[in-house]
Amino acid sequence: VLTQSPATLSLSPGDRATLSCRASERLNNFLAWYQQKPGQAPRLLIYDVSDRATGVPTRFSGSGSGTDYTLTISSLEPEDFAVYYCQKRDNSPMFTFGPGTKLEIK
Amino acid sequence: QVQLVQSGADVKKPGASVKVSCKPSGYTFTGYFIHWVRQAPGQGLEWMGRINPNSGVASYADKFQGRVTVTRDTSISTVYLDLDGLTSDDTAVYYCARGGAGTGAFDYWGQGTLVTVSS
Repeated sequence: VLTQSPATLSLSPGDRATLSCRASERLNNFLAWYQQKPGQAPRLLIYDVSDRATGVPTRFSGSGSGTDYTLTISSLEPEDFAVYYCQKRDNSPMFTFGPGTKLEIK
Repeated sequence: QVQLVQSGADVKKPGASVKVSCKPSGYTFTGYFIHWVRQAPGQGLEWMGRINPNSGVASYADKFQGRVTVTRDTSISTVYLDLDGLTSDDTAVYYCARGGAGTGAFDYWGQGTLVTVSS
């Protein structure tokens, strides 16, 4: 199980955003983050905890280990307001998404 | 460039089955897993299963075992999702996504297919 917090985060452009993803058991570093805007498919941002996907701006970064992981957006741009999901893979392999964090404009 | 193109929206009655297709392009079809993920209206993402297009071997989330089948046709480089016994709870957007090489992430996604189950 993955838990994301907060459920909603209200910030302004230029702010720093910190999104949390917690697992119920230690992960094997297969932890990814996605961004989804209304009416669009999810977009991969971060894979393997901290590797940025192709074309993802450097303001997005991932970190963490064990059961606690973080997506950080260093300085919010207007286009960053969206829903963010974390996702894990276990050894079965099975794949699980967190419930999401909605990042909204304050 | 990598693209995954899915079939169009569909409306089904309860108890029916639905088949959604996904046609990847821009890379070697047999080189990457294809996954299926769904999203009910206003809800989060739910992984359903995946297939190795090279071997044809598929695996499924426990929740969907016995009700879902993922297949592929290598002659036309297309992957299919079949879901049986539809209920209103299956109303959702269904996405196919490519499994990234050596990672547990999904690096490219289809545009999504809305399946509506209604009497």
